[in-house]
Amino acid sequence: KAGVTQTPRYLIKTRGQQVTLSCSPISGHRSVSWYQQTPGQGLQFLFEYFSETQRNKGNFPGRFSGRQFSNSRSEMNVSTLELGDSALYLCASSVGPKEYTEAFFGQGTRLTVV
Amino acid sequence: ELKVEQNPLFLSMQEGKNYTIYCNYSTTSDRLYWYRQDPGKSLESLFVLLSNGAVKQEGRLMASLDTKARLSTLHITAAVHDLSATYFCAVDSNSGYALNFGKGTSLLVTP
Repeated sequence: KAGVTQTPRYLIKTRGQQVTLSCSPISGHRSVSWYQQTPGQGLQFLFEYFSETQRNKGNFPGRFSGRQFSNSRSEMNVSTLELGDSALYLCASSVGPKEYTEAFFGQGTRLTVV
Repeated sequence: ELKVEQNPLFLSMQEGKNYTIYCNYSTTSDRLYWYRQDPGKSLESLFVLLSNGAVKQEGRLMASLDTKARLSTLHITAAVHDLSATYFCAVDSNSGYALNFGKGTSLLVTP
């Protein structure tokens, strides 16, 4: 069974640019969530999507956005990149029902902003 | 604001020894998750604890949940070097559909 796939694995961008990260969930999983991991702040929740609808959003500026497609694949976009956006971005998928939300994580996208 | 606190944050232990990692959280939740992360790698799900008194064991690791005390423990028995990693606990957020993670416990097992 294929796991959660994130692309690209590594990215280097310049301040002010924008970036789009992609996540393909485990087959049959309809919930996709995104997390940012940094040494200073740890793992922080960005947003979660289920059946193309955003159900929850973390405390991040509007420069961070996401969407989910009908095949459950998800993308997140960061506009006007700042140095502080350098992080490991992790995508997680789960089946979806609230009662059992075990999340399986992808390998992550390492974003470096210079 | 939901808080999840782990301690210790760093742990160096000898092979063969036992130790416990603690995870306290500030909300009423009966679902707690433990993950492992190796350097440069993603998060691997270890345990899902879904009710008060839940206890799960896998190899040298055993996790338990006390929802009344808002406390989960991850007990390591007879540690081996392969257990060296960072361990995170996480709790469902109050607003739903999200996990709130602790800062992680960086474990190093030495000969």
